[in-house]
Amino acid sequence: DAGVIQSPRHEVTEMGQEVTLRCKPISGHDYLFWYRQTMMRGLELLIYFNNNVPIDDSGMPEDRFSAKMPNASFSTLKIQPSEPRDSAVYFCASSLRETQYFGPGTRLLVL
Amino acid sequence: GIQVEQSPPDLILQEGANSTLRCNFSDSVNNLQWFHQNPWGQLINLFYIPSGTKQNGRLSATTVATERYSLLYISSSQTTDSGVYFCAVDRGSTLGRLYFGRGTQLTVWP
Repeated sequence: DAGVIQSPRHEVTEMGQEVTLRCKPISGHDYLFWYRQTMMRGLELLIYFNNNVPIDDSGMPEDRFSAKMPNASFSTLKIQPSEPRDSAVYFCASSLRETQYFGPGTRLLVL
Repeated sequence: GIQVEQSPPDLILQEGANSTLRCNFSDSVNNLQWFHQNPWGQLINLFYIPSGTKQNGRLSATTVATERYSLLYISSSQTTDSGVYFCAVDRGSTLGRLYFGRGTQLTVWP
């Protein structure tokens, strides 16, 4: 299997612009997670889905963030409008059982 | 949420040395996983170990759930072991959200 696939790998944008991050989970996995990693806050869960349904979005920082999973093989995390404090590495992970498998991450820089 | 404390925050070793990393958590857990983040940022799952002991090559882990800690042992360390080691836990379902510690930064010199 190709593992969890994320795109883009790097994104540089200006404050106020919309940013869309994409994730393709491992085929057959029914859990999908979005994490954010920063020096200040470490690794934190933003939202996770089970069978395409959002289960826990309590980590989503504010209304500027939204996530969707229209089907079992695709998810998006959108930031609109983006702010410099959103700069971070965003990871997508998937699992079938307990073990979570992480994608390579998207490094986002908001100027 | 549940609190996760890892120690030491930094560890520098010579190749071939052994090391023990510790993870303390503030509540009983049903889910505990150890991850390695390599210098390129990739996160790799090492163990799912809410209790008991597991071994995988030079790495082993032990979780004493009743005392709320877990240990990761690295034997005969190699330069490729360098990176950050994270402990992540949850007290709820074995599936679902994980709370991550701040990690132990390991540097192994040749």
